[in-house]
Amino acid sequence: DAMVIQNPRYQVTQFGKPVTLSCSQTLNHNVMYWYQQKSSQAPKLLFHYYDKDFNNEADTPDNFQSRRPNTSFCFLDIRSPGLGDAAMYLCATSGTRAGQPGANVLTFGAGSRLTVL
Amino acid sequence: AQTVTQSQPEMSVQEAETVTLSCTYDTSESDYYLFWYKQPPSRQMILVIRQEAYKQQNATENRFSVNFQKAAKSFSLKISDSQLGDAAMYFCAYKKNYGGSQGNLIFGKGTKLSVKP
Repeated sequence: DAMVIQNPRYQVTQFGKPVTLSCSQTLNHNVMYWYQQKSSQAPKLLFHYYDKDFNNEADTPDNFQSRRPNTSFCFLDIRSPGLGDAAMYLCATSGTRAGQPGANVLTFGAGSRLTVL
Repeated sequence: AQTVTQSQPEMSVQEAETVTLSCTYDTSESDYYLFWYKQPPSRQMILVIRQEAYKQQNATENRFSVNFQKAAKSFSLKISDSQLGDAAMYFCAYKKNYGGSQGNLIFGKGTKLSVKP
């Protein structure tokens, strides 16, 4: 089945130790999103790619960066994780062309839960 | 700026009964989509139902239906014949229609639904 896969599902890191989360998709969607979701809160958009164009939210800390080497893969890099960065990180994709069924629907991965010690 | 408000942090329903989750939103746009997403504990966020703003007819998906009141900017979700598997966090979300796959989902804070056997 076409889907959005996130790895690892659980990541434990030490304060200040860089971590990379990955997302892959078999949907051939052109838009990929990274959301941060803290406990019992709504997901908060960090950034998204529209094809190769990178769009950073104004309030996303510089500590967070992203790479999208090709259509299928996207990475979230946290350069120096702090205790406040402990959260679930959700990857999502969207890609139906205008006028097609399912347009504007985001498909989410299962998430990567980050713990910072 | 667009906002989405879910005024019920928690709801509870008896198995086989009907429950309605409330959502209001604010936008100056006329062309947009509204969604309800379901996020079970420690599981993937999945789409429950979608409504196009230009459609007057309320969307339905099996036991799930919406009451879309465009003028009132209200978008409630009704779950009929509630099942134990319906227990989850439910997020109402808004997305402007750019004509393609661009744009971000704006989420409400969520409603935690419990289902009592």
